[in-house]
Amino acid sequence: QKEVEQDPGPLSVPEGAIVSLNCTYSNSAFQYFMWYRQYSRKGPELLMYTYSSGNKEDGRFTAQVDKSSKYISLFIRDSQPSDSATYLCAMSLGGSYIPTFGRGTSLIVHP
Amino acid sequence: KAGVTQTPRYLIKTRGQQVTLSCSPISGHRSVSWYQQTPGQGLQFLFEYFSETQRNKGNFPGRFSGRQFSNSRSEMNVSTLELGDSALYLCASSASGTQTYEQYFGPGTRLTVT
Repeated sequence: QKEVEQDPGPLSVPEGAIVSLNCTYSNSAFQYFMWYRQYSRKGPELLMYTYSSGNKEDGRFTAQVDKSSKYISLFIRDSQPSDSATYLCAMSLGGSYIPTFGRGTSLIVHP
Repeated sequence: KAGVTQTPRYLIKTRGQQVTLSCSPISGHRSVSWYQQTPGQGLQFLFEYFSETQRNKGNFPGRFSGRQFSNSRSEMNVSTLELGDSALYLCASSASGTQTYEQYFGPGTRLTVT
């Protein structure tokens, strides 16, 4: 079992839909949970990170962490074609520990 | 602030050659990490440098090496290239040694080995 599992997709949705992207993990010691967006042929861009459990909102993006279920989600409201990208989740023990990345979910938002 | 920069952006090398990639972190960032990204394996951690010292190392053969300079700029070197080394090599920087969960990536160097 990989430490971080993420469905590769692709996930195809119409413009304006609410998108839900998810990751599961096995290491209960993870403290920081990150979401990155990666456009084709570009480097990953940090969207947001959350410490421990709970929700965090930034514009149209909401990150949710459920440590009891070892499950994290990223919700995108009012999705736009410009949101079409690969979304990677990552998790860290914190401090100087290197994050563990999921394989990424490809999202396609069609007009 | 300027972001993380990587040079060159594209490289084509022949099997058996060696290659050096360069990374300049965000100004003031002291931690630099290197990753290899391939469609089959995803993002795999190579190594991390902090204050010119290799602090973390991934599970890659000794052909992969790196260093960090006093200005935090970093280089990675791959010797005796193999076809399987074809990948996007990404560099990421963090502000401090205790915030490696908050990494900012460069655009990557796409290496093709023929």
